[in-house]
Amino acid sequence: AQTVTQSQPEMSVQEAETVTLSCTYDTSESDYYLFWYKQPPSRQMILVIRQEAYKQQNATENRFSVNFQKAAKSFSLKISDSQLGDAAMYFCAYRSGGFGGAQKLVFGQGTRLTINP
Amino acid sequence: AAGVIQSPRHLIKEKRETATLKCYPIPRHDTVYWYQQGPGQDPQFLISFYEKMQSDKGSIPDRFSAQQFSDYHSELNMSSLELGDSALYFCASSLSPGSTEAFFGQGTRLTVV
Repeated sequence: AQTVTQSQPEMSVQEAETVTLSCTYDTSESDYYLFWYKQPPSRQMILVIRQEAYKQQNATENRFSVNFQKAAKSFSLKISDSQLGDAAMYFCAYRSGGFGGAQKLVFGQGTRLTINP
Repeated sequence: AAGVIQSPRHLIKEKRETATLKCYPIPRHDTVYWYQQGPGQDPQFLISFYEKMQSDKGSIPDRFSAQQFSDYHSELNMSSLELGDSALYFCASSLSPGSTEAFFGQGTRLTVV
């Protein structure tokens, strides 16, 4: 079974600075997808960024980028120019790339990010 | 744009009662997932459906059952409720089982007293 581990329960950063959230995963599969979800106080789950395992290039979405190290099974999220609205719980998630049915998400424990003004 | 609709948003039930949570996926989405998020926990997969058939099953108690209807909406039925069932229940939908992106609803907060 696949597992996702986020070793940082809490992180804080000054507004406008850069912060990196860590995530490691364990899998024997070669085809999979990795995600970062944001859960603000409203509890809505919002997709931040997605990475396909077969792509060597790291995904980027505006101020959000990932460092995907497939061999090390590491998938960190970098948030640049942090804004107050970035404050939330961030979940790293894994999804198998297999076919034949709906593929569930496996989530890490989450990292609570605080932005200091 | 239409999103995943869950109802009710909040629900309070007493122990041993039953509850039914509903999920209306984004139009044309035929795949639905249910997740349970306990207080301070990460979301845990319960069950999924594709084209009205159960696709995968996670850590869903036997007291829970779910189905997907012909219009693709889904219902999660929970019986003999326990205090430990208090959680946020998310529904997510995707365009197909192969779609990599699942869109989440706002969740139903169930409180069992």
